[in-house]
Amino acid sequence: RKEVEQDPGPFNVPEGATVAFNCTYSNSASQSFFWYRQDCRKEPKLLMSVYSSGNEDGRFTAQLNRASQYISLLIRDSKLSDSATYLCVVNEGFQKLVFGTGTRLLVSP
Amino acid sequence: NAGVTQTPKFQVLKTGQSMTLQCAQDMNHEYMSWYRQDPGMGLRLIHYSVGAGITDQGEVPNGYNVSRSTTEDFPLRLLSAAPSQTSVYFCASSRLAQYEQYFGPGTRLTVT
Repeated sequence: RKEVEQDPGPFNVPEGATVAFNCTYSNSASQSFFWYRQDCRKEPKLLMSVYSSGNEDGRFTAQLNRASQYISLLIRDSKLSDSATYLCVVNEGFQKLVFGTGTRLLVSP
Repeated sequence: NAGVTQTPKFQVLKTGQSMTLQCAQDMNHEYMSWYRQDPGMGLRLIHYSVGAGITDQGEVPNGYNVSRSTTEDFPLRLLSAAPSQTSVYFCASSRLAQYEQYFGPGTRLTVT
């Protein structure tokens, strides 16, 4: 079983739609969680950290469920510019980050 | 600030050749790391460092060496290139692993 699992997609949605991605992790001792965004042939960039209480940044909402060991990302009112691959990242401790393979989002006009 | 820089951007090697991928950051970050990204595999950690003089292995260290003589630089050495090392290599830095990682633009390496 992979340590961090994501549905690879692609998720094809129209502009204005709401879309949600889930990510599951296997290590219950994982300490911190992140969503990164990666555009085609570019480096990953931090989208948001994920806190136990959940957090929101504009159209983006992240949730953490430690009991079920999953993280979610909700994007409301999708824009064309949201088209990218979204990487779930888990800090398992000992300074090691584990990346999921990513979920690809395509937003169409 | 230049952030994290990587050179070269592209490289083609023949099997058995050696080379060094350069990575530098100007943010005074303690933590630096190297990843490789392959289709369907996600980013995998090769080596990391929590400060000058301290390095450790990640998930896929075989065939690679690193050193950290300064806070700014973290080069990755391929000892004897193999086709299985064809990949995109990213260097990243941060205050520590639990903080935002800043990535360089990547090096696309092909080994023939």
